[in-house]
Amino acid sequence: DAGVTQSPTHLIKTRGQQVTLRCSPKSGHDTVSWYQQALGQGPQFIFQYYEEEERQRGNFPDRFSGHQFPNYSSELNVNALLLGDSALYLCASRGDSRPYNEQFFGPGTRLTVL
Amino acid sequence: GEDVEQSLFLSVREGDSSVINCTYTDSSSTYLYWYKQEPGAGLQLLTYIFSNMDMKQDQRLTVLLNKKDKHLSLRIADTQTGDSAIYFCAEYLGDDKIIFGKGTRLHILP
Repeated sequence: DAGVTQSPTHLIKTRGQQVTLRCSPKSGHDTVSWYQQALGQGPQFIFQYYEEEERQRGNFPDRFSGHQFPNYSSELNVNALLLGDSALYLCASRGDSRPYNEQFFGPGTRLTVL
Repeated sequence: GEDVEQSLFLSVREGDSSVINCTYTDSSSTYLYWYKQEPGAGLQLLTYIFSNMDMKQDQRLTVLLNKKDKHLSLRIADTQTGDSAIYFCAEYLGDDKIIFGKGTRLHILP
Protein backbone atom coordinates (compact mmCIF):
# COMPACT_ATOMS: atom_id res chain seq x y z
CA ASP A 1 0.00 0.00 0.00
CA ALA A 2 1.66 3.18 -1.20
CA GLY A 3 1.65 6.08 1.17
CA VAL A 4 1.32 9.71 0.17
CA THR A 5 3.44 10.50 -2.87
CA GLN A 6 4.53 13.89 -4.15
CA SER A 7 6.21 15.12 -7.30
CA PRO A 8 8.61 16.50 -8.14
CA THR A 9 11.08 15.99 -5.31
CA HIS A 10 12.96 19.21 -5.99
CA LEU A 11 12.22 22.23 -8.12
CA ILE A 12 14.09 25.43 -8.90
CA LYS A 13 12.23 28.45 -10.25
CA THR A 14 12.90 32.15 -10.65
CA ARG A 15 10.92 35.05 -9.25
CA GLY A 16 7.69 35.76 -11.09
CA GLN A 17 7.32 32.26 -12.47
CA GLN A 18 4.50 29.85 -11.74
CA VAL A 19 4.81 26.36 -10.29
CA THR A 20 2.57 23.30 -9.96
CA LEU A 21 3.17 20.63 -7.35
CA ARG A 22 1.40 17.28 -7.32
CA CYS A 23 0.20 14.91 -4.63
CA SER A 24 -1.37 11.46 -4.61
CA PRO A 25 -3.04 10.59 -1.31
CA LYS A 26 -2.75 7.34 0.55
CA SER A 27 -5.05 4.65 -0.77
CA GLY A 28 -8.54 5.05 0.64
CA HIS A 29 -8.06 8.67 1.66
CA ASP A 30 -10.26 11.38 0.23
CA THR A 31 -9.08 14.54 2.01
CA VAL A 32 -5.86 16.29 1.04
CA SER A 33 -4.17 19.16 2.85
CA TRP A 34 -1.18 21.23 1.80
CA TYR A 35 1.41 22.72 4.15
CA GLN A 36 4.36 25.05 3.66
CA GLN A 37 7.43 24.41 5.79
CA ALA A 38 10.03 27.17 5.60
CA LEU A 39 13.56 26.40 6.73
CA GLY A 40 13.73 26.08 10.51
CA GLN A 41 9.97 26.39 10.89
CA GLY A 42 7.08 24.06 11.49
CA PRO A 43 4.59 23.32 8.74
CA GLN A 44 1.95 25.96 8.11
CA PHE A 45 -1.45 25.02 6.78
CA ILE A 46 -2.20 26.35 3.29
CA PHE A 47 -5.53 24.74 2.40
CA GLN A 48 -7.49 21.52 2.32
CA TYR A 49 -9.45 19.79 -0.42
CA TYR A 50 -12.37 17.43 -0.08
CA GLU A 51 -14.79 16.32 -2.79
CA GLU A 52 -12.86 18.45 -5.30
CA GLU A 53 -13.53 21.65 -3.37
CA GLU A 54 -11.40 23.84 -1.13
CA ARG A 55 -12.83 23.32 2.32
CA GLN A 56 -10.43 25.15 4.63
CA ARG A 57 -7.80 27.78 4.00
CA GLY A 58 -4.96 29.15 6.07
CA ASN A 59 -3.46 32.60 5.96
CA PHE A 60 -1.99 32.45 2.46
CA PRO A 61 -2.53 34.88 -0.44
CA ASP A 62 -4.57 34.10 -3.53
CA ARG A 63 -1.36 33.38 -5.42
CA PHE A 64 -1.67 29.98 -3.81
CA SER A 65 -4.41 27.90 -5.41
CA GLY A 66 -5.19 24.25 -5.71
CA HIS A 67 -7.25 21.58 -7.27
CA GLN A 68 -8.46 18.12 -6.42
CA PHE A 69 -9.27 15.54 -9.08
CA PRO A 70 -11.95 12.83 -9.02
CA ASN A 71 -9.30 10.26 -8.07
CA TYR A 72 -8.54 12.42 -4.96
CA SER A 73 -5.09 13.47 -6.17
CA SER A 74 -4.34 17.14 -5.81
CA GLU A 75 -2.27 19.99 -7.21
CA LEU A 76 -0.88 23.08 -5.55
CA ASN A 77 -0.27 26.05 -7.83
CA VAL A 78 1.72 29.11 -6.89
CA ASN A 79 1.73 32.13 -9.19
CA ALA A 80 4.12 35.10 -9.32
CA LEU A 81 6.72 33.34 -7.19
CA LEU A 82 8.57 35.32 -4.54
CA LEU A 83 11.87 34.51 -2.90
CA GLY A 84 9.94 33.90 0.31
CA ASP A 85 8.03 31.06 -1.31
CA SER A 86 11.15 28.92 -1.08
CA ALA A 87 10.18 26.08 1.25
CA LEU A 88 9.35 22.41 1.59
CA TYR A 89 5.75 21.85 0.50
CA LEU A 90 4.09 18.96 2.23
CA CYS A 91 0.94 17.17 1.25
CA ALA A 92 -1.07 15.24 3.81
CA SER A 93 -4.05 12.97 3.40
CA ARG A 94 -6.56 11.43 5.72
CA GLY A 95 -9.62 9.27 5.64
CA ASP A 96 -12.38 9.05 8.19
CA SER A 97 -11.34 5.92 10.03
CA ARG A 98 -9.35 7.42 12.89
CA PRO A 99 -10.96 9.61 15.54
CA TYR A 100 -7.89 11.65 16.30
CA ASN A 101 -7.65 13.10 12.81
CA GLU A 102 -4.38 11.41 11.89
CA GLN A 103 -2.94 12.85 8.74
CA PHE A 104 -0.34 11.01 6.68
CA PHE A 105 2.35 13.19 5.18
CA GLY A 106 4.27 12.80 1.96
CA PRO A 107 8.03 13.43 1.71
CA GLY A 108 7.47 16.89 0.31
CA THR A 109 8.61 18.94 -2.65
CA ARG A 110 11.55 21.26 -2.04
CA LEU A 111 10.94 24.49 -3.95
CA THR A 112 13.78 26.96 -4.40
CA VAL A 113 13.00 30.39 -5.86
CA LEU A 114 15.98 32.33 -7.17
CA GLY B 1 -3.67 33.87 19.30
CA GLU B 2 -2.75 30.35 18.45
CA ASP B 3 0.87 29.48 19.07
CA VAL B 4 2.97 26.44 19.91
CA GLU B 5 6.40 26.96 21.44
CA GLN B 6 9.20 24.47 21.87
CA SER B 7 12.94 24.63 22.38
CA LEU B 8 14.88 24.33 19.15
CA PHE B 9 17.65 21.95 20.12
CA LEU B 10 18.29 19.05 22.51
CA SER B 11 21.42 16.98 22.87
CA VAL B 12 21.25 13.61 24.69
CA ARG B 13 23.66 10.72 25.22
CA GLU B 14 22.72 7.39 23.69
CA GLY B 15 20.88 5.25 26.25
CA ASP B 16 19.69 8.23 28.30
CA SER B 17 16.14 9.57 28.30
CA SER B 18 15.19 12.52 26.13
CA VAL B 19 12.55 14.96 27.27
CA ILE B 20 11.16 17.44 24.76
CA ASN B 21 8.90 20.17 26.08
CA CYS B 22 6.21 22.24 24.43
CA THR B 23 3.73 24.93 25.43
CA TYR B 24 0.59 25.84 23.58
CA THR B 25 -1.88 28.67 23.89
CA ASP B 26 -5.29 27.45 22.74
CA SER B 27 -7.13 25.70 25.55
CA SER B 28 -9.82 24.47 23.15
CA SER B 29 -7.49 22.02 21.40
CA THR B 30 -8.92 18.49 21.44
CA TYR B 31 -5.85 16.50 20.53
CA LEU B 32 -2.17 17.20 20.92
CA TYR B 33 0.39 15.47 18.75
CA TRP B 34 4.05 14.66 18.51
CA TYR B 35 5.39 14.29 14.99
CA LYS B 36 8.86 13.12 13.94
CA GLN B 37 10.65 14.37 10.84
CA GLU B 38 13.79 12.69 9.55
CA PRO B 39 15.95 14.19 6.77
CA GLY B 40 14.31 13.79 3.36
CA ALA B 41 11.15 12.36 4.85
CA GLY B 42 7.73 13.74 5.60
CA LEU B 43 6.24 14.05 9.02
CA GLN B 44 5.40 10.87 10.87
CA LEU B 45 2.85 10.88 13.65
CA LEU B 46 4.59 9.41 16.69
CA THR B 47 1.84 9.67 19.24
CA TYR B 48 -1.12 11.75 20.29
CA ILE B 49 -3.01 12.48 23.47
CA PHE B 50 -6.58 13.56 24.04
CA SER B 51 -6.91 16.82 25.87
CA ASN B 52 -8.77 15.12 28.75
CA MET B 53 -5.84 12.79 29.49
CA ASP B 54 -2.82 13.46 31.71
CA MET B 55 -0.48 10.80 30.46
CA LYS B 56 -0.08 8.31 27.67
CA GLN B 57 2.57 5.63 27.37
CA ASP B 58 3.46 3.78 24.19
CA GLN B 59 6.55 1.55 24.40
CA ARG B 60 9.53 3.91 24.82
CA LEU B 61 7.38 7.02 24.50
CA THR B 62 5.64 8.80 27.38
CA VAL B 63 3.50 11.87 26.82
CA LEU B 64 2.59 14.10 29.73
CA LEU B 65 -0.06 16.80 29.48
CA ASN B 66 -0.57 19.57 32.01
CA LYS B 67 -3.70 21.25 30.74
CA LYS B 68 -3.70 23.92 33.45
CA ASP B 69 -0.25 25.15 32.37
CA LYS B 70 -0.81 24.24 28.68
CA HIS B 71 2.38 22.20 28.79
CA LEU B 72 3.07 19.03 26.83
CA SER B 73 6.16 16.84 27.01
CA LEU B 74 7.50 13.84 25.17
CA ARG B 75 9.89 11.47 26.95
CA ILE B 76 11.85 8.97 24.89
CA ALA B 77 13.38 6.26 27.07
CA ASP B 78 16.69 4.61 26.17
CA THR B 79 17.37 7.06 23.33
CA GLN B 80 18.95 5.45 20.27
CA THR B 81 20.80 6.89 17.28
CA GLY B 82 17.71 6.22 15.18
CA ASP B 83 15.81 8.71 17.31
CA SER B 84 17.87 11.54 15.86
CA ALA B 85 15.32 13.76 14.10
CA ILE B 86 13.25 16.90 14.45
CA TYR B 87 10.26 16.51 16.75
CA PHE B 88 7.21 18.72 16.28
CA CYS B 89 4.61 19.43 18.89
CA ALA B 90 1.21 20.23 17.36
CA GLU B 91 -2.31 20.98 18.50
CA TYR B 92 -5.56 20.20 16.75
CA LEU B 93 -8.05 23.05 16.84
CA GLY B 94 -10.91 21.40 14.97
CA ASP B 95 -12.01 21.59 11.33
CA ASP B 96 -8.75 19.84 10.35
CA LYS B 97 -6.72 22.82 11.51
CA ILE B 98 -3.38 21.82 13.07
CA ILE B 99 -0.87 24.29 14.51
CA PHE B 100 2.74 23.10 14.62
CA GLY B 101 5.64 24.32 16.70
CA LYS B 102 8.98 25.10 15.08
CA GLY B 103 10.39 21.74 16.01
CA THR B 104 13.08 20.47 18.38
CA ARG B 105 16.16 18.98 16.77
CA LEU B 106 17.27 15.96 18.84
CA HIS B 107 20.96 15.19 18.59
CA ILE B 108 22.28 11.90 19.98
CA LEU B 109 25.77 11.80 21.47
CA PRO B 110 27.68 8.49 21.39
